[in-house]
Amino acid sequence: EAQVTQNPRYLITVTGKKLTVTCSQNMNHEYMSWYRQDPGLGLRQIYYSMNVEVTDKGDVPEGYKVSRKEKRNFPLILESPSPNQTSLYFCASSYSGGAETQYFGPGTRLLVL
Amino acid sequence: KNQVEQSPQSLIILEGKNCTLQCNYTVSPFSNLRWYKQDTGRGPVSLTIMTFSENTKSNGRYTATLDADTKQSSLHITASQLSDSASYICVVSDGSTLGRLYFGRGTQLTVWP
Repeated sequence: EAQVTQNPRYLITVTGKKLTVTCSQNMNHEYMSWYRQDPGLGLRQIYYSMNVEVTDKGDVPEGYKVSRKEKRNFPLILESPSPNQTSLYFCASSYSGGAETQYFGPGTRLLVL
Repeated sequence: KNQVEQSPQSLIILEGKNCTLQCNYTVSPFSNLRWYKQDTGRGPVSLTIMTFSENTKSNGRYTATLDADTKQSSLHITASQLSDSASYICVVSDGSTLGRLYFGRGTQLTVWP
């Protein structure tokens, strides 16, 4: 089944403890992207990647890192999480980043205490 | 500044009625405009994608229109069903930076029986 998977789905952590949220797609898509969604603010793009070893900043990259060492995986890294990074995170992928359907993962709920 | 504004913020309609959601954007240059449906707690699902040369596109009971001159789009839902209750999100792609997306805050639609 074609899908985007994220792990973990739920995470509670404490300020300053490094964490990684994984994202994987099995559709051989070149484009992958991370978003966060907060009440009243909607979805905002954090980072995106047009292909392996190519990443670019979105709207709200501060406090986040990403890497794209292989096509199928695009992990989101929080080196020193803070409470303002408590949010719902979505990973998505599409064939090329152009005018085609983007497929979203199920989301990761993160709570930083 | 590139922005996407949606109206209304929320809307309640009776089952079987039609409704129209609005999206205005300032993103320039423009590449494409997408409408997504997002059920509570789930990832967005693509409804339509329109490029500069397209001014209407349908997906079942959903019809999107685009006026690239006035930078406006609408999503029309015909014969609404209870399952249409969701958030509808307008997303505009930046034509100068492939992969860079700008999101509206969404219209929360509630369909009552």
